[in-house]
Amino acid sequence: AQTVTQSQPEMSVQEAETVTLSCTYDTSENNYYLFWYKQPPSRQMILVIRQEAYKQQNATENRFSVNFQKAAKSFSLKISDSQLGDTAMYFCAFMKPGSNYQLIWGAGTKLIIKP
Amino acid sequence: DAGITQSPRHKVTETGTPVTLRCHQTENHRYMYWYRQDPGHGLRLIHYSYGVKDTDKGEVSDGYSVSRSKTEDFLLTLESATSSQTSVYFCAISDGTNYGYTFGSGTRLTVV
Repeated sequence: AQTVTQSQPEMSVQEAETVTLSCTYDTSENNYYLFWYKQPPSRQMILVIRQEAYKQQNATENRFSVNFQKAAKSFSLKISDSQLGDTAMYFCAFMKPGSNYQLIWGAGTKLIIKP
Repeated sequence: DAGITQSPRHKVTETGTPVTLRCHQTENHRYMYWYRQDPGHGLRLIHYSYGVKDTDKGEVSDGYSVSRSKTEDFLLTLESATSSQTSVYFCAISDGTNYGYTFGSGTRLTVV
C-alpha cells in the first residue's frame, strides 16, 4: 500500500525567506501523480502544485516549486520569498492511476511565516 | 462561485444520535469523496462514490454509511455518533482526471 510521510510537523521562517517542506512516499508504481495542498486558517483546501511522475521536469507555480526525486521517492515543496499569507498547513498527497482517483495524504506540516 | 457546498458547517450532537452531513455539487462531477481530518493524521478517506448509487469504503469506514441517489448529492451518515467521530469532515469532488480535487469548506462535528 502507498504511504506518504511528512517528517516536519511544524516549521517557522521569517517573511521573505525561502522554506522547503519535505515529503516522501512509498510506492511500487511507476506512473502516478503527486500534489501539494495548502490549508490556511480558513480551513479551505487549496491545490498549490501538481507533479506527474513520468515528467522529469519539476513543476513550478509562481513562488512555489517542487524538487521531485523519483528514485528517492521524494517530493519537496519550496516556497520562495515567503509571505504572511503562506501561513497554513501544507499537505502532500499521492494519486495512483486506476484507483478511482483516490488521494493518499501525509499528516501535514504547519508552516508559520513570521513578520 | 462555490461548485461544492457542505452543510452544516458546524454541528454539536450527543453520543448515540444519528447524524447526516450533506455534500452538494453543481459541477456534474462523477467522483465524490468523504474525508475526516484529525491532527497528526492528515486526511483519511471514509467513503467515496464513482457514480450514482456506486459507492465504496475507504480506510476508516466503520461507523459511517453513505448514499448517492443523485449526481449532485453525497450524504454521509453516522448511524450512532461516538466521541471518536468528533472531527472535521471534508467532501471533495473530482472530474475523473488526474488533476486533483475541489474541496468543500468542511464540517466541524463535535460529539459530546
